Amino acid sequence: EAGVAQSPRYKIIEKRQSVAFWCNPISGHATLYWYQQILGQGPKLLIQFQNNGVVDDSQLPKDRFSAERLKGVDSTLKIQPAKLEDSAVYLCASSLGSQGNTEAFFGQGTRLTVV
Amino acid sequence: AQRVTQPEKLLSVFKGAPVELKCNYSYSGSPELFWYVQYSRQRLQLLLRHISRESIKGFTADLNKGETSFHLKKPFAQEEDSAMYYCALSPGGYNKLIFGAGTRLAVHP
Repeated sequence: EAGVAQSPRYKIIEKRQSVAFWCNPISGHATLYWYQQILGQGPKLLIQFQNNGVVDDSQLPKDRFSAERLKGVDSTLKIQPAKLEDSAVYLCASSLGSQGNTEAFFGQGTRLTVV
Repeated sequence: AQRVTQPEKLLSVFKGAPVELKCNYSYSGSPELFWYVQYSRQRLQLLLRHISRESIKGFTADLNKGETSFHLKKPFAQEEDSAMYYCALSPGGYNKLIFGAGTRLAVHP
């Protein structure tokens, strides 16, 4: 089966610019996650969607980050304006459902460098 | 607080040696514990989960609630085991994952 698709793979922007990332989950997966992985750290959940509703966005810096999942399929994550500390790999993942701890499948990530 | 600690950033062993990657967690309820692995230039993928109690690629992990640990073990390391290993905790109810910082396993010939 096709995996989680993310684009772009790499992005370099200047601080205070805006950037958007796109994710296409595995077909039929109701739950979609965005994780931020800073160099040397494990992934940290930014936001979790169940279909097109937000389940958990407690660690999303809402003053600059936003995410949406229109029609419960694809999702976009936006940063505006970007800061130097936003440099990280942004991982999208999907799973079948919200309960029962079904396996999460990860995309290859988008590496963001803010200069 | 929900937290996963992997005390070793790097574990370096020779082929054929036993491997133990340490993971300790902090969670007040009954968590689900996982090990994820990332091979070079590949995406993060599930290696094993404690509820399955299975051995994957020769790796096993036992949940020790008394010590709040979920160490990953393999009796004889292979060069292809070289990768980044992440221990993760999922609180009850929803599938979000709380990851440790990861341990890089380097298996030398």
